[in-house]
Amino acid sequence: QSVLTQPPSASGTPGQRVTISCSGRNSNIGTNTISWYQHVPGTAPKLLSHTDNQRPSGVPDRFSGSKSATSASLAISGLQPEDEGDYYCAAWDDSLNGWVFGGGTKLTVL
Amino acid sequence: QVQLVESGGGVVQSGRSLRLSCRASGLTFSRYGMHWVRLAPGQGPEWVTSISFDGINKYYNDSVKGRFTISRDNSRNTLYLQMNSLRAEDTAVYFCAKSHTVTTHDYFDLWGQGTLVTVSS
Repeated sequence: QSVLTQPPSASGTPGQRVTISCSGRNSNIGTNTISWYQHVPGTAPKLLSHTDNQRPSGVPDRFSGSKSATSASLAISGLQPEDEGDYYCAAWDDSLNGWVFGGGTKLTVL
Repeated sequence: QVQLVESGGGVVQSGRSLRLSCRASGLTFSRYGMHWVRLAPGQGPEWVTSISFDGINKYYNDSVKGRFTISRDNSRNTLYLQMNSLRAEDTAVYFCAKSHTVTTHDYFDLWGQGTLVTVSS
């Protein structure tokens, strides 16, 4: 069972906005920054957002991260078919002295 | 081209050992912390271990402490994971990932495609 909690699935139609949540504790999200990753099975995971709400160069501005207290969210606007895949949140945990991940959210574009 | 390429995965019997490698290209490997993360079927990612840019500081998940060893050879741009006393629950795709900076407490800004390790009983 993952330390960070994500909904197992999410879906939307092309053009819609979808939000994926990630819930944790003071020792991880509450104290340290959150990052988000997209993974299409068989490929290398890709960084989508870091330091709570910073978008790496090359990532479309349709992707935006946010954080409040011990919860975080990744919003995807203008949903596109190529956005299908698994999405994971991650943060350093001061109590465990290691990285913790969410269980992943499988995004389906209908 | 900036990339990480893992190798060394395969099928191994429970109790045996395996060494994974991760070769970096297109970047100054010695400037970054590095990590191993694994993904088992039907589960979320699990952080395995991290190493600082100079190889001095190492961190392990309790689930592998005492069995796995992370190391790096900056002259060869290569990260290693020595896995001993393997168990069925170690079965997963193993990814190497690069820290954004020298520290291991920073986010993962580059990942490899992974190598599959299957531990059979």
